[in-house]
Amino acid sequence: GENVEQHPSTLSVQEGDSAVIKCTYSDSASNYFPWYKQELGKRPQLIIDIRSNVGEKKDQRIAVTLNKTAKHFSLHITETQPEDSAVYFCAATRGGAGSYQLTFGKGTKLSVIP
Amino acid sequence: GAGVSQSPSNKVTEKGKDVELRCDPISGHTALYWYRQSLGQGLEFLIYFQGNSAPDKSGLPSDRFSAERTGGSVSTLTIQRTQQEDSAVYLCASSLEGGRTYEQYFGPGTRLTVT
Repeated sequence: GENVEQHPSTLSVQEGDSAVIKCTYSDSASNYFPWYKQELGKRPQLIIDIRSNVGEKKDQRIAVTLNKTAKHFSLHITETQPEDSAVYFCAATRGGAGSYQLTFGKGTKLSVIP
Repeated sequence: GAGVSQSPSNKVTEKGKDVELRCDPISGHTALYWYRQSLGQGLEFLIYFQGNSAPDKSGLPSDRFSAERTGGSVSTLTIQRTQQEDSAVYLCASSLEGGRTYEQYFGPGTRLTVT
């Protein structure tokens, strides 16, 4: 089955700096890669996703890049703000193969220091 | 519109008791997923329902875990003879169509504590 590794497990940045979180996956058939943000005690919220036919996607201060050959994808947050502080999870799924279960990384706790 | 809802929000039970957790997906969403999140860990897939198809139960950790989905909407996750290692947050998610749109929207979760 799929295995997703996520690094780093914790990340502290100064407000205004950029943050980068990296994930690798094992199943070359995976074709959908979402990122979720989870604030303390809250539900995971989808913040951005990318499909395997695209190399990069941006949404304001957030971007995701995908390297299918190397089987890794990354989340980039620019101009970080204190409200970006949360745990971020990457995930992967095959999709289209009968089940769309997500395999998650173990999460990155991002702290943005004012 | 209304998001995914789950009940109860918290459940404390004694070891050996059975528990039922409920999930109401977003109206019109045909796919429903259950995940488990242990303290400080990522989310672990448990089971997936899509329309009238047979559920994908490949993530259930033991035969003490079961789930059903009635009428293609509400789902119940049942854990029999609970053990302390079952303590976790149980999250439900739904998506519009498993085959075309992959975006999964999560409920607030049920925090289960087994004493």
